[in-house]
Amino acid sequence: DAGVIQSPRHEVTEMGQEVTLRCKPISGHDYLFWYRQTMMRGLELLIYFNNNVPIDDSGMPEDRFSAKMPNASFSTLKIQPSEPRDSAVYFCAISQRDRHGYTFGSGTRLTVV
Amino acid sequence: GNSVTQMEGPVTLSEEAFLTINCTYTATGYPSLFWYVQYPGEGLQLLLKATKADDKGSNKGFEATYRKETTSFHLEKGSVQVSDSAVYFCALIRGSTLGRLYFGRGTQLTVWP
Repeated sequence: DAGVIQSPRHEVTEMGQEVTLRCKPISGHDYLFWYRQTMMRGLELLIYFNNNVPIDDSGMPEDRFSAKMPNASFSTLKIQPSEPRDSAVYFCAISQRDRHGYTFGSGTRLTVV
Repeated sequence: GNSVTQMEGPVTLSEEAFLTINCTYTATGYPSLFWYVQYPGEGLQLLLKATKADDKGSNKGFEATYRKETTSFHLEKGSVQVSDSAVYFCALIRGSTLGRLYFGRGTQLTVWP
């Protein structure tokens, strides 16, 4: 069955440090999405990929954020330098051609102090 | 454009009460509609879906009917349990595309024994 593994589950870092969040889809997919969730803004779509190619990155808040998908089994979201307002839960999700809807990972809770 | 509006929470109910969470949508074409549930500390999970008008999605005692005439997809459950406490998200995908899911802001449900 489809699944998404995210790491780390929790990350605490100091302001100004680089942070890299990882996503590994367990099985095949067509699209991969990165979301950010906060109490204030809810779920925000940051960027999504189709067949490893970035389709829409208009949700990426600033140039400090970047995402890559070097192959179908791996994606990263990098924040450099990190700031306290980046504190949130970051989710990776995939969708597949033969099913509707997404499969979400368990998320990475990022705290920037 | 495409958007989802759902009732603001939090919603607090006693066990065995009837639940309704309202959801309306704006979309071009004929969207597919979804309800996702997020339990504390977890990612979003697909609860139910409907892909065309008058379809009823159901799962775990929850139901929602795709109403094209009122552009609505309200979530209902006849008798809630404490274990149903979670955040519920209404969402749509435009037509048959696999791309972006548009989410509502989420509704926090708390059920007391």
